[in-house]
Parts: sequence; structure tokens; C-alpha cells
Amino acid sequence: RKEVEQDPGPFNVPEGATVAFNCTYSNSASQSFFWYRQDCRKEPKLLMSVYSSGNEDGRFTAQLNRASQYISLLIRDSKLSDSATYLCVVYRGSYIPTFGRGTSLIVHP
Amino acid sequence: DAMVIQNPRYQVTQFGKPVTLSCSQTLNHNVMYWYQQKSSQAPKLLFHYYDKDFNNEADTPDNFQSRRPNTSFCFLDIRSPGLGDAAMYLCATSRVGQGTRNEQFFGPGTRLTVL
Repeated sequence: RKEVEQDPGPFNVPEGATVAFNCTYSNSASQSFFWYRQDCRKEPKLLMSVYSSGNEDGRFTAQLNRASQYISLLIRDSKLSDSATYLCVVYRGSYIPTFGRGTSLIVHP
Repeated sequence: DAMVIQNPRYQVTQFGKPVTLSCSQTLNHNVMYWYQQKSSQAPKLLFHYYDKDFNNEADTPDNFQSRRPNTSFCFLDIRSPGLGDAAMYLCATSRVGQGTRNEQFFGPGTRLTVL
């Protein structure tokens, strides 16, 4: 089993749709979790941290389920500009990251 | 603006010809990372420095070396590039310590082509 697994997609959704991605991780001792966004041929950029109690930032909501070892990202009211690859990052130890391969999102008019 | 800078943005080298990629940061972060990312794949951690302490990932080939002469700069040396080393190389930094979330900040990457 890979350390961090994501469905590569692509998820193809219309503008205004709600879409959710999951990411599973194998190391139950993992402490820190993040979602990054990566546009084509660009560097990853931090989208949001994932806190134990769940957290929201505008149209984006992140959740952590430690019992089932997965994190999720929910995007409401999708915009064309949300089209990108969403990378899940799980830390082993306090600062050693493992990236998932990313989930591709395409938002169409 | 505080940032992570990588040079060059594009590098073309010949098979077997050594190449050095550079990364600098103005964030004063204590940890610097090097990743290799190939098309449609996850960024793969090659190594990282925690201050001056070098940490190699177990599966990083010996062909890859790194130097961190000071807090601001970090270099990736590829001693004998092969065709399989063509990729995007990403540098990232993080402030690690008590009370930090340890999120990473990435440079724009260097795209390496091996002929």
C-alpha cells in the first residue's frame, strides 16, 4: 500500500458544482496534513492545512478522519479557475512530507 | 517580497554532463527540501536539510548530491544525468519549530532536459 493515495481523476464538473476529493494515508502516526494546489507546469502552492476538527476557508472545507486514515477536500460552487491538480500531503514525523500523486479537477462552463 | 528562487528555470544538458541547480530563499526558514517531479506524478522527496544536517531519502540515487553552504542557499548536483533524470526539480522551504505548522513554500522549479 502506498503511503499516500489519491484518485488521479480527472473529475470533470460544471461551474457551480460541489466536488469532493479523498486522500488515504497508511501511517497512523502521521500528525500534519495539507492540501496543495498545482497548476499545469507550475509549482505546488499551499491551499489549506487540515486540522483535526475540520476547517473551512471560503468555498473550501477540509476534514480529517483519523480512525479511517483519510483526509478530504470539499469545493463548493466550483469556478473555472479551480481547475488544477490537488495534492494531498501527509507528514511522517513533524516535517517530512509525502505527497500524493494528485487529483485532477476540470471545471467546465 | 520574501520568496524562494530557483535558477535556472530551464536547464538543458547532455547525457552524462554534470549539472547544478540552485535555490535561494529570503524567508529565513531552517529546512530546505529538494524534490523531483515527473509528469503526472507526485513530487518525490530527494533530500532535505534541517539547518546544516543533511538527510537523504533511502531511494535517492547516488547520482544526486546536495550542498547547503548557508541558510539561504541550497544546491542540487546531478553528477551524470541520464535520460530518466529529465524532470521538474522543485526546491521548498519550511520553518520548523514549536508552534509552527511546518507548511512548505515552493520555488518555481527548474525544468531539466537531458539530450
